[in-house]
Amino acid sequence: SAVISQKPSRDICQRGTSLTIQCQVDSQVTMMFWYRQQPGQSLTLIATANQGSEATYESGFVIDKFPISRPNLTFSTLTVSNMSPEDSSIYLCSVEPRTGGTEAFFGQGTRLTVV
Amino acid sequence: GIQVEQSPPDLILQEGANSTLRCNFSDSVNNLQWFHQNPWGQLINLFYIPSGTKQNGRLSATTVATERYSLLYISSSQTTDSGVYFCAVNNRGSTLGRLYFGRGTQLTVWP
Repeated sequence: SAVISQKPSRDICQRGTSLTIQCQVDSQVTMMFWYRQQPGQSLTLIATANQGSEATYESGFVIDKFPISRPNLTFSTLTVSNMSPEDSSIYLCSVEPRTGGTEAFFGQGTRLTVV
Repeated sequence: GIQVEQSPPDLILQEGANSTLRCNFSDSVNNLQWFHQNPWGQLINLFYIPSGTKQNGRLSATTVATERYSLLYISSSQTTDSGVYFCAVNNRGSTLGRLYFGRGTQLTVWP
């Protein structure tokens, strides 16, 4: 298994500002994933973060809006830039501790409200 | 990507009742997981079950990979079982670890 610490757990932000969410894992992992869950909706993948290379973004998500860093094998950040109320969501990071189709684990999530 | 359909979308039970949640998926999978999302938004891993049957206390799950569905059974439900239950899969050809989620089943258990 993996223990994932995600910070902050919640925040209320003014529109036009940016928020950086941190995800720390207790073991080295190859892939880290960032998901968004809009109110009342399911989880949607934003991007896949590989160490040492640019993140891979899903359709509808762009680097300018959601820049991601992955400086090492245990840490990643997601920034939500120039926020609007439509960005109010839960943001979750996820890891798969080992390759080969094994179990994925999630951080506790960041509940973001933009006012 | 792979399609994941969950049913029912909503389920209301009285404490002590049993329930079955279903997850259908459109392609072969190498990972299938069931999660419970608590009111604070945290996803709790319930089962990693790409095939076969597993049990954990009052919960059990069965995945029939050849027929592309999975079932989550909750017996003797308790109010603390309330929340959203998600099924998520990873199919062959997708990035390992990347999950596709269903829309979830909102379970409400009344005392």
